[in-house]
Amino acid sequence: DAGVIQSPRHEVTEMGQEVTLRCKPISGHNSLFWYRQTMMRGLELLIYFNNNVPIDDSGMPEDRFSAKMPNASFSTLKIQPSEPRDSAVYFCASSLTENQPQHFGDGTRLSIL
Amino acid sequence: SQQGEEDPQALSIQEGENATMNCSYKTSINNLQWYRQNSGRGLVHLILIRSNEREKHSGRLRVTLDTSKKSSSLLITASRAADTASYFCATDAWVNYGGSQGNLIFGKGTKLSVKP
Repeated sequence: DAGVIQSPRHEVTEMGQEVTLRCKPISGHNSLFWYRQTMMRGLELLIYFNNNVPIDDSGMPEDRFSAKMPNASFSTLKIQPSEPRDSAVYFCASSLTENQPQHFGDGTRLSIL
Repeated sequence: SQQGEEDPQALSIQEGENATMNCSYKTSINNLQWYRQNSGRGLVHLILIRSNEREKHSGRLRVTLDTSKKSSSLLITASRAADTASYFCATDAWVNYGGSQGNLIFGKGTKLSVKP
């Protein structure tokens, strides 16, 4: 079975540019999570969806970040405009239902110059 | 604030030795999970232990849970070089009015290095 698929794997862009990260969860999973991982702050939950509906977005740093889940098989995380402090590895994960084991993608390593 | 915190932050052992990592958390939980992360990869779920369980085994992994002390431990027996990774505990997010939210809160992890 295909796992969680994220694209791109690496993104390098200049400050001020729009960045869009993509995620395809495991088919049949109802919950989807976006995380950011840095050395300083560890793994932080940004937002999670249940049945395509955003449940908790309290971890989204500021208005520059937005996430959508238009259908059960696709989600995006957008940063506009991007800043150097947004540089991190961004992970998408999905689970069958809430509080169940999560399956992670291999992440997008984002560098904002 | 972090719900789970792992201890130690880093652990270096020889192949064949056992590795023990600990996790402490702050509030009531429904379950506690352990994950492994290899360098440059996403986290991989290892084991889930429910709040009414005290011990669980999976292959060379043994997890214990002490809800009175709000702590858990992960034991890897007969370690191998391939076990080199970071290990994270995660608990469900408990809210003040009671009950659990749908997300997990991860600790900062223990970095395990197993030398051949």
